[in-house]
Amino acid sequence: DAGITQSPRHKVTETGTPVTLRCHQTENHRYMYWYRQDPGHGLRLIHYSYGVKDTDKGEVSDGYSVSRSKTEDFLLTLESATSSQTSVYFCATMTVDRGFTDTQYFGPGTRLTVL
Amino acid sequence: AQKVTQAQTEISVVEKEDVTLDCVYETRDTTYYLFWYKQPPSGELVFLIRRNSFDEQNEISGRYSWNFQKSTSSFNFTITASQVVDSAVYFCALSEYVGNEKLTFGTGTRLTIIP
Repeated sequence: DAGITQSPRHKVTETGTPVTLRCHQTENHRYMYWYRQDPGHGLRLIHYSYGVKDTDKGEVSDGYSVSRSKTEDFLLTLESATSSQTSVYFCATMTVDRGFTDTQYFGPGTRLTVL
Repeated sequence: AQKVTQAQTEISVVEKEDVTLDCVYETRDTTYYLFWYKQPPSGELVFLIRRNSFDEQNEISGRYSWNFQKSTSSFNFTITASQVVDSAVYFCALSEYVGNEKLTFGTGTRLTIIP
């Protein structure tokens, strides 16, 4: 495992409030990812990062922003939370070894409820 | 665009029976990676296997085995002599080697082992 922690693990918030989820890794992995998991959809990629200050959008990026100012931290922000963003959020990290894709390892997840 | 289909939404088997979870994928790339992850009731995502598109050899790990067939674009997972601890949601995922290393997940198969 890649020593990944997520905070908070659970959060309940109200519609319209900003929310920031944090992912922290201790393995110095270059790539970091945010996914959301919803029934019937599996996991879908929100945003990912391929280095400090280098980020890109995933499949379901609308309403989300990310930042990565340090290798070990990847923040996911919901600028104005909506009920459709109620979900379980997973962070993942990966290293790329000599140009070959490695394996993504996942954090424990954050359960977010937007009322 | 890449796609992963897990047509079996839920499967229930009696303990000690064998069970196969199906995974069918679509990709235009000739180089890609296939994964299986397990999500037990506790919620974390556990990596099980990674297979690259050039390696069609079947793999066995204890009671788990994987059958990769490029001709049918399938990467099926078999559990032999199932146990209650195998009860979980299992996800198949695909990563194309195009420099972005993003995972596309199937919607998962919920496996219940009946004691």
